[in-house]
Amino acid sequence: KNEVEQSPQNLTAQEGEFITINCSYSVGISALHWLQQHPGGGIVSLFMLSSGKKKHGRLIATINIQEKHSSLHITASHPRDSAVYICAVRGNTDKLIFGTGTRLQVFP
Amino acid sequence: DAGITQSPRHKVTETGTPVTLRCHQTENHRYMYWYRQDPGHGLRLIHYSYGVKDTDKGEVSDGYSVSRSKTEDFLLTLESATSSQTSVYFCAIGGRGLTEAFFGQGTRLTVV
Repeated sequence: KNEVEQSPQNLTAQEGEFITINCSYSVGISALHWLQQHPGGGIVSLFMLSSGKKKHGRLIATINIQEKHSSLHITASHPRDSAVYICAVRGNTDKLIFGTGTRLQVFP
Repeated sequence: DAGITQSPRHKVTETGTPVTLRCHQTENHRYMYWYRQDPGHGLRLIHYSYGVKDTDKGEVSDGYSVSRSKTEDFLLTLESATSSQTSVYFCAIGGRGLTEAFFGQGTRLTVV
């Protein structure tokens, strides 16, 4: 079993829909990252969380340390949000453990 | 954008040949990382460096070596490439534990 599990693996949505991507982990962590990877490969850091909630534009990330769970929400989704979203946790060894990603496609 | 570039961006090589991938940063970050990305797997750490000439192995280091002779350059070498090393390789820079996570654009390596 992977130490970091994401769901769903694939997600399609119509433009304007509210989207939620989930990340569950089984190890103790000091921080959790949400990353975005567009077709063509570049990976961009969206958020780093250690507690609570962060918001940037239409993106909201939450984390529940007790439940070992994080969610990434996208409000008013747009085709340009189409990408792979990756959850990664920083454990006690100080290295990052990555989930396999959620592929999101938003159609006009 | 963080100043991190990988070269080459694409490479096709034959089994048994040596290959070196380069990661160059202009941000003066102490920590640099090499990952590989394969279908069905998350990014997996190959090697990382915590300073000039200071490197350590990651979870999938077999068949790979690294060198860091300058702060700005981190080289990944496949001594004798195998088909199982066909992958997309990403370099990353940042503080300890990637508190600031900046990634290169990736290098697509095909071993035939």
